[in-house]
Amino acid sequence: DSGVTQTPKHLITATGQRVTLRCSPRSGDLSVYWYQQSLDQGLQFLIQYYNGEERAKGNILERFSAQQFPDLHSELNLSSLELGDSALYFCASSVGVDNYGYTFGSGTRLTVV
Amino acid sequence: TQLLEQSPQFLSIQEGENLTVYCNSSSVFSSLQWYRQEPGEGPVLLVTVVTGGEVKKLKRLTFQFGDARKDSSLHITAAQPGDTGLYLCAGPRTGQGGKLIFGQGTELSVKP
Repeated sequence: DSGVTQTPKHLITATGQRVTLRCSPRSGDLSVYWYQQSLDQGLQFLIQYYNGEERAKGNILERFSAQQFPDLHSELNLSSLELGDSALYFCASSVGVDNYGYTFGSGTRLTVV
Repeated sequence: TQLLEQSPQFLSIQEGENLTVYCNSSSVFSSLQWYRQEPGEGPVLLVTVVTGGEVKKLKRLTFQFGDARKDSSLHITAAQPGDTGLYLCAGPRTGQGGKLIFGQGTELSVKP
């Protein structure tokens, strides 16, 4: 157990639907990062939050949004889902805003049918 | 654009063999990290190298950061089936705090 908790582990949903992925960071970590991993693209950075504030943004689609709550857990919302959104979504956390190593959760496997 | 290129992409070897995985870039990185990922799990941090020329050892794994901080290598001595997995190098994008760029990974299979 890495200390980073992601739920759900698996999600199967239909095109056009909306889903929410949840992440609880490791105790004491203030930064949360979301990554998408697919076979052809590898690990792609989506967004970073630090202590409730958006810190950095990657090539995150407009259909995707995220937030970090006062208790530091984070949610990634994916809407108007397309087949191509099927992937593994990972949350990671680190202590500070800069990074000398992430702790990853075990991911959410999203399948859009 | 900062990119990290790993080679080889795939490696299949017999138990007991030695191997080296490379991570190269045309850009300078302030640090580089190596992760190992098993199927269905998230990547696990193995090491962070910070100083050019730095060498770190983790049991049978030896990590090196290039003098110019543009490349890194991972050498495994006497590989074991438990070393099987996806090895990823990663580095922080300049000026963007904690955002990490990942290489495409090296898929290692060690057969008994």
